[in-house]
Amino acid sequence: DSGVTQTPKHLITATGQRVTLRCSPRSGDLSVYWYQQSLDQGLQFLIQYYNGEERAKGNILERFSAQQFPDLHSELNLSSLELGDSALYFCASSTDGGVSYEQYFGPGTRLTVT
Amino acid sequence: GENVEQHPSTLSVQEGDSAVIKCTYSDSASNYFPWYKQELGKRPQLIIDIRSNVGEKKDQRIAVTLNKTAKHFSLHITETQPEDSAVYFCAASTWMDSSYKLIFGSGTRLLVRP
Repeated sequence: DSGVTQTPKHLITATGQRVTLRCSPRSGDLSVYWYQQSLDQGLQFLIQYYNGEERAKGNILERFSAQQFPDLHSELNLSSLELGDSALYFCASSTDGGVSYEQYFGPGTRLTVT
Repeated sequence: GENVEQHPSTLSVQEGDSAVIKCTYSDSASNYFPWYKQELGKRPQLIIDIRSNVGEKKDQRIAVTLNKTAKHFSLHITETQPEDSAVYFCAASTWMDSSYKLIFGSGTRLLVRP
């Protein structure tokens, strides 16, 4: 157990819908990262927040947005969902804002868009 | 854009043999290179990392080597065991779009045959 929690574990929804994925980082970690892992694919970096502010952005679609709240939990919002958005979404946390530190991954949320 | 290439995509070895996975990166400013292991249905976990100021790092049966001139780094697993079977991802810190990001390779599926 990494100490990072994600809810829900599974999510099934229809095209065009909007969903929110939630992540709670390890106690004391200030950085939260979001990754997308499609079937048999690598980890695509979406976005990073550090202490409530956006720190870095990857290949995140405009239909996707995220935020980090004062209690440091983070939410990833996916809207106008398409079949291709079906994937495993991981959240990770680390102590610092820099990327040269171990990232602790949560168990992931498996999103299925039908 | 900046990327990390990983080879091979699949690797099958006999228990007790060694396994080597190689990655190349394109950003000469990259300075942090972690390796993550992802067992089936589980979260990625850091197994070893190396920074650009050293050429090799070992941890029991696992070692990583870095060649900054050639811009490649490798994971070496000796005396492989069935529990080493998993997908392994390399990553490199990359300066992109005004921030550092961790860019992952596409993964290597390692199968250790008993």
